[in-house]
Amino acid sequence: DTEVTQTPKHLVMGMTNKKSLKCEQHMGHRAMYWYKQKAKKPPELMFVYSYEKLSINESVPSRFSPECPNSSLLNLHLHALQPEDSALYLCASSRERGAKNIQYFGAGTRLSVL
Amino acid sequence: AQKITQTQPGMFVQEKEAVTLDCTYDTSDPSYGLFWYKQPSSGEMIFLIYQGSYDQQNATEGRYSLNFQKARKSANLVISASQLGDSAMYFCAMREAPGANNLFFGTGTRLTVIP
Repeated sequence: DTEVTQTPKHLVMGMTNKKSLKCEQHMGHRAMYWYKQKAKKPPELMFVYSYEKLSINESVPSRFSPECPNSSLLNLHLHALQPEDSALYLCASSRERGAKNIQYFGAGTRLSVL
Repeated sequence: AQKITQTQPGMFVQEKEAVTLDCTYDTSDPSYGLFWYKQPSSGEMIFLIYQGSYDQQNATEGRYSLNFQKARKSANLVISASQLGDSAMYFCAMREAPGANNLFFGTGTRLTVIP
């Protein structure tokens, strides 16, 4: 089972709204990731959690706030977003150790900011 | 310098034929991993195949195989017996150190399978 589940699949929000994206995995992985993907571009890494601790923050604006409540869950809290933040947001997970360290992705949340 | 280069923005292949998607990489790290992902229009990134820098054999997974030429720093994906469902965006990616979390992605190749 290599399933990473993301909710919601689609989200439309205004610039003053607060919303959250959710990601869940039950593969026992200890690393979880948020990526942002604009149309026709590769994914861009935003955050990495390793053993529930934030290990990488790729200079993401503070209007994006990640949270890892436990080893299976990853949230991305959104507040005061801009229209240019409209994108596909992908969550991934992987084993923390091992040469392969394959990242398994969810189906993503398509976010539109009006 | 780009870590991963995919020079083919788009490719077409006839159904049941084989196709090669190109990928070159740039790293000075002796230990690295190379990955291919498929992204259909639905958005999910699907892991296809992995090649480690110390692996002696080219990786294979069903209809997918990786033509790994270490000296040339290339890791081309070969899809045999193409199917209509293979139409998607394909990304090559690299991880530079064992267990490292950063994946460097190429710009992708859009493959269209023609009936």
